[in-house]
Amino acid sequence: GIQVEQSPPDLILQEGANSTLRCNFSDSVNNLQWFHQNPWGQLINLFYIPSGTKQNGRLSATTVATERYSLLYISSSQTTDSGVYFCADPVPSGTYKYIFGTGTRLKVLA
Amino acid sequence: DAGVIQSPRHEVTEMGQEVTLRCKPISGHDYLFWYRQTMMRGLELLIYFNNNVPIDDSGMPEDRFSAKMPNASFSTLKIQPSEPRDSAVYFCASSFDWQDHSPLHFGNGTRLTVT
Repeated sequence: GIQVEQSPPDLILQEGANSTLRCNFSDSVNNLQWFHQNPWGQLINLFYIPSGTKQNGRLSATTVATERYSLLYISSSQTTDSGVYFCADPVPSGTYKYIFGTGTRLKVLA
Repeated sequence: DAGVIQSPRHEVTEMGQEVTLRCKPISGHDYLFWYRQTMMRGLELLIYFNNNVPIDDSGMPEDRFSAKMPNASFSTLKIQPSEPRDSAVYFCASSFDWQDHSPLHFGNGTRLTVT
């Protein structure tokens, strides 16, 4: 089956540091999305990024569909960035069956 | 826009009881999804609908689970009878049509505990 691997599984940063989270897919990338699950459990959509690069404030994401991976960059991290970051992509062949990675758990220390 | 609305936020029930979870998608969204999140299995897609029609229910764990979408603004996920292993956070999500490159928007979830 299709695998979605995220790395690193856990990350601890001091406030102000930068980080890069990675998402690898075993199959083609079609409609990749990044999500942040905050400590209260809410899942927030960060980016819809099937290819190319997008930026939103201190966050940016890059997807290289031909090489089946995506990167999420967090710059000048803040304590509010803490939580779990997930990537997800639908199973190919035109379905909406989004497969989620196992997540990167980020903790930003003040 | 109020976002995806789920109710209840928390549900505690005894094994064998019927549980009904509710979801109101974002107005105008064509797709509605039910996900389950557990520590062991992460986020799993249970079923999704397009224009109120169930498209893929292959993730529904067993016949005890059923989902309906009687209209564009309401969906239910029912578990009957419930078992302790059903304890999880259940999320509902919605999105526009795929071809419009639409993000997936999640509700705040329902935390189900079956004792």
